[in-house]
Amino acid sequence: NAGVTQTPKFRILKIGQSMTLQCTQDMNHNYMYWYRQDPGMGLKLIYYSVGAGITDKGEVPNGYNVSRSTTEDFPLRLELAAPSQTSVYFCASSETGVRGGTDTEAFFGQGTRLTVV
Amino acid sequence: AQSVAQPEDQVNVAEGNPLTVKCTYSVSGNPYLFWYVQYPNRGLQFLLKYITGDNLVKGSYGFEAEFNKSQTSFHLKKPSALVSDSALYFCAVRDIGGSYIPTFGRGTSLIVHP
Repeated sequence: NAGVTQTPKFRILKIGQSMTLQCTQDMNHNYMYWYRQDPGMGLKLIYYSVGAGITDKGEVPNGYNVSRSTTEDFPLRLELAAPSQTSVYFCASSETGVRGGTDTEAFFGQGTRLTVV
Repeated sequence: AQSVAQPEDQVNVAEGNPLTVKCTYSVSGNPYLFWYVQYPNRGLQFLLKYITGDNLVKGSYGFEAEFNKSQTSFHLKKPSALVSDSALYFCAVRDIGGSYIPTFGRGTSLIVHP
């Protein structure tokens, strides 16, 4: 069981370049999330999705975009990369958002370390 | 709105001693509470959760956490620390009556000295 898979693991971008961070999960989870992790700042939610075709902004969405065409895939797009986007990016998924559901913990990918120079 | 606070950036403990990593939360309704662990260059791994029922929750690797509603706390504990427990620990909260999206604390670095 692969869980949540992110690619690439590392990437260096030049200012102004664009790229897509890939995320796929094989657990048939309805919820998927993108977080960024900066030292001492914890995890900040960028975007999330409650199911195929539905996405919404999180706490820090500026400079990013997402799509959710299938249950499995939730790519994160960076347009016009800036040094402030240097971070470690984590994709996660969880089984249910249904009120009262008990299987609510998130499963995380291994992360993508992005440096913008 | 929901929030979670981890008041300590770093906790140091000697191997074999008990450890506590603190977490307090704020939600408008009732909480789902979680602890995750992150080893270097890895993603977060789920440790344990409180949904309902007993206030003392047991999880992976000998960790446990106590839900205290009056103090709005969910501290992570282990009776005897191991050097291999050294990692970054995150507390997270979801409001059962509100957002389905978990909010994470800033993380606490646990260092267990031999």
